[in-house]
Amino acid sequence: GDSVTQMEGPVTLSEEAFLTINCTYTATGYPSLFWYVQYPGEGLQLLLKATKADDKGSNKGFEATYRKETTSFHLEKGSVQVSDSAVYFCALSDNSGTYKYIFGTGTRLKVLA
Amino acid sequence: DSGVTQTPKHLITATGQRVTLRCSPRSGDLSVYWYQQSLDQGLQFLIQYYNGEERAKGNILERFSAQQFPDLHSELNLSSLELGDSALYFCASTTGGTTGADTQYFGPGTRLTVL
Repeated sequence: GDSVTQMEGPVTLSEEAFLTINCTYTATGYPSLFWYVQYPGEGLQLLLKATKADDKGSNKGFEATYRKETTSFHLEKGSVQVSDSAVYFCALSDNSGTYKYIFGTGTRLKVLA
Repeated sequence: DSGVTQTPKHLITATGQRVTLRCSPRSGDLSVYWYQQSLDQGLQFLIQYYNGEERAKGNILERFSAQQFPDLHSELNLSSLELGDSALYFCASTTGGTTGADTQYFGPGTRLTVL
């Protein structure tokens, strides 16, 4: 079945460092791909999404490109801030009508001042 | 604020008991998803409802059930509770379109502790 694999955390970076969180997926069709972020004590919220191959989602300085050839959707940010400390979830949604969303296990990011 | 509300925020109960978690979706959203988030298993999809009908089922135990009412709010019922059911339970809502590109809007969650 469909699945999402993302890198284990925690990831600890200094402020202004470059961030990459890897995400790969397995899907039979052509899913939509998402990154959600969960700040401490809150629910998840959408960070960015891409709905077809080669699409780039971007928001708040974060970017991810839908790579069909490598089945990947890696999250990047050029310069992280302390306020980016959170748990990041990669997810996919099957466009074939199953209506299921599959989430990765989450990657905790800690940014130090 | 996502517009999705969940009650209660915290729930502490004993093994063998039954509890009901409530979720109100964003205004205009027809679809509600339920998820369980535990430390060792990440975010697990339980069940989805669309406009009152069950649409998709994930890893939901037989002891758990859900429904969506005509006013579109949803309830998740957990019975014969076990220690391992302790987790954060989230609901999320979407407009319920037929494509998979809908953004999910999550509520703040209900933290269930089973003692």
